[in-house]
Amino acid sequence: DIQMTQSPSSLSASVGDRVTITCRASQSISPYLNWYQQKPGKVPKLLIYATSSLYSGVPSRFSGSGSGTDFTLTISSLQPEDFATYYCQQSYNTPVTFGQGTRLEIK
Amino acid sequence: EVHLLESGGGLVQPGGSLRLSCAASGFTFSDYAMSWVRQAPGKGLEWVSGISDSGSGTYYADSLRGRFTISRDNSKSTLYLHMNSLRAEDTAVYYCAKGGVSGTAMDVWGQGTTVTVSS
Repeated sequence: DIQMTQSPSSLSASVGDRVTITCRASQSISPYLNWYQQKPGKVPKLLIYATSSLYSGVPSRFSGSGSGTDFTLTISSLQPEDFATYYCQQSYNTPVTFGQGTRLEIK
Repeated sequence: EVHLLESGGGLVQPGGSLRLSCAASGFTFSDYAMSWVRQAPGKGLEWVSGISDSGSGTYYADSLRGRFTISRDNSKSTLYLHMNSLRAEDTAVYYCAKGGVSGTAMDVWGQGTTVTVSS
């Protein structure tokens, strides 16, 4: 199975900050890396698919990059509604696997 | 509007069985692979199972193979998850999602159905 490791596990930041979350796969998975946002008690939402493609309706302050085994999610200027948990996920092969999540909190 | 609605969750005793359903609407169900993802209380997301658009390909998390069976009825636009020999650690919210296998992202999620395994 492909292991997905996110860092950091948690992060405190302020409104307006630029934030980067990283995700490392145990083998090359390009470009099959996706990012999701989940708020407490809510359904996960797709943000980025295929490493860098912005899903419909997602604000442009979100971006994704990377290749091979190393990927990043960047939020260019944090907004109050961005405080949530973020998960990376590989769809390169089955079993599909998620990272453990990065909890983004207000500083 | 694309919509997924899960049902069938509930309280079940250890060793029991349950069948979850996911009714799809707003898209051509038979054109897309589908997945089940679960989330235990206070934990992260765990992919459970996926199925190809035709149903000919089925995929499982290694730890669940043999106890869970995914299926679909394209004539009814419905996805299923049959769960047997349930354990306390299967307690979770179960989401169905559009996509997730064959290189695709999960772009639409249902609201989830809660499964509680307890005596």
